Amino acid sequence: DTAVSQTPKYLVTQMGNDKSIKCEQNLGHDTMYWYKQDSKKFLKIMFSYNNKELIINETVPNRFSPKSPDKAHLNLHINSLELGDSAVYFCASSQGPAGAGEQYFGPGTRLTVT
Amino acid sequence: KNQVEQSPQSLIILEGKNCTLQCNYTVSPFSNLRWYKQDTGRGPVSLTIMTFSENTKSNGRYTATLDADTKQSSLHITASQLSDSASYICVVSSGGSYIPTFGRGTSLIVHP
Repeated sequence: DTAVSQTPKYLVTQMGNDKSIKCEQNLGHDTMYWYKQDSKKFLKIMFSYNNKELIINETVPNRFSPKSPDKAHLNLHINSLELGDSAVYFCASSQGPAGAGEQYFGPGTRLTVT
Repeated sequence: KNQVEQSPQSLIILEGKNCTLQCNYTVSPFSNLRWYKQDTGRGPVSLTIMTFSENTKSNGRYTATLDADTKQSSLHITASQLSDSASYICVVSSGGSYIPTFGRGTSLIVHP
């Protein structure tokens, strides 16, 4: 009965590879988000989706592409991985307009690029 | 430039004591201010959300205050417990799109 789930929890890959992280929420929320937390624990928003439409794209390289097949899922695909992409990626969801309501975070995916 | 500054960077207290964490921001226009608790290796958990018109909000032993005039917020933890050991993050959102600006967090350690 997990509210926001992400897979995989850990991802180790080499530079240049393409990888995806999946996120699912069973809360019936309208909005989903992707955040990046760097090695210094600093969080930044990457994307938010409201009813399958992109709301925020905060200067994220176009190697990152969010895909939302339906409002319960927001997957993150990353092309041509770089060392600087190593971080913890969090998915979150909320009800109502992006950023307005209480957000529920997933457990995170630790991505390590070697 | 929108910024959120938190202090102290880290804090160590004894179990049962109270503490107050600070958040100063220069975000404009202001939409809302959130406090999150993040345990090591876990995702952030929302503690409080405050809009411009709210100057205090409580969630159990956590009480957040907001002074929109001075652009300051505080998070007060009463009767601390070992489980309060975590990072506390202040986030201020701006504009109609609620674009968030994150603080770097305060790391709290509660000793028995």
